[in-house]
Amino acid sequence: GQNIDQPTEMTATEGAIVQINCTYQTSGFNGLFWYQQHAGEAPTFLSYNVLDGLEEKGRFSSFLSRSKGYSYLLLKELQMKDSASYLCAVSRYGGATNKLIFGTGTLLAVQP
Amino acid sequence: DVKVTQSSRYLVKRTGEKVFLECVQDMDHENMFWYRQDPGLGLRLIYFSYDVKMKEKGDIPEGYSVSREKKERFSLILESASTNQTSMYLCASRGQASYNEQFFGPGTRLTVL
Repeated sequence: GQNIDQPTEMTATEGAIVQINCTYQTSGFNGLFWYQQHAGEAPTFLSYNVLDGLEEKGRFSSFLSRSKGYSYLLLKELQMKDSASYLCAVSRYGGATNKLIFGTGTLLAVQP
Repeated sequence: DVKVTQSSRYLVKRTGEKVFLECVQDMDHENMFWYRQDPGLGLRLIYFSYDVKMKEKGDIPEGYSVSREKKERFSLILESASTNQTSMYLCASRGQASYNEQFFGPGTRLTVL
């Protein structure tokens, strides 16, 4: 089967650093995506990891360990606008094309 | 700027009605997807299409069908709407490479009374 786990909610302070964890179990693993979704809006792409290690993109970084089935999204210098849901999604080989399996999302609240 | 559009932001239908949700992308993407998003359940894949007239079932296809007659357009059909199909429906498209991200439309909030 397949399973993706991430915390339901997190709270952090403006200017701080927060790490959102994601663990997964799946067959046919073909990469891991992180998306950001503000309330009432569509998800938008943040990062993609397919090899082990850290990918840095400005204030956001994402880490992957394939052997442990583990990823995290690191947000630095938090801003109020970072309050959103963060979705972990595993890409799987499947039939004619790759499919994404999404976690239920982590709702991050950034407080002043 | 890439764009995925959906025909309606909000839709209210009655039980038993046939419902069409339209999605159009302007990126010449081969792959298109329909999801529904419910609190506590996350995004779940209903159907996807990897080419014109080609479709495959996702994880929750029951009660839905799809149509892809043109590359840019992917339609989700609820043959006979039921109250448990009240949800947010999101369409997405993606290029061929495995590292390509999915681009999402703004979503359609469907309420079935």
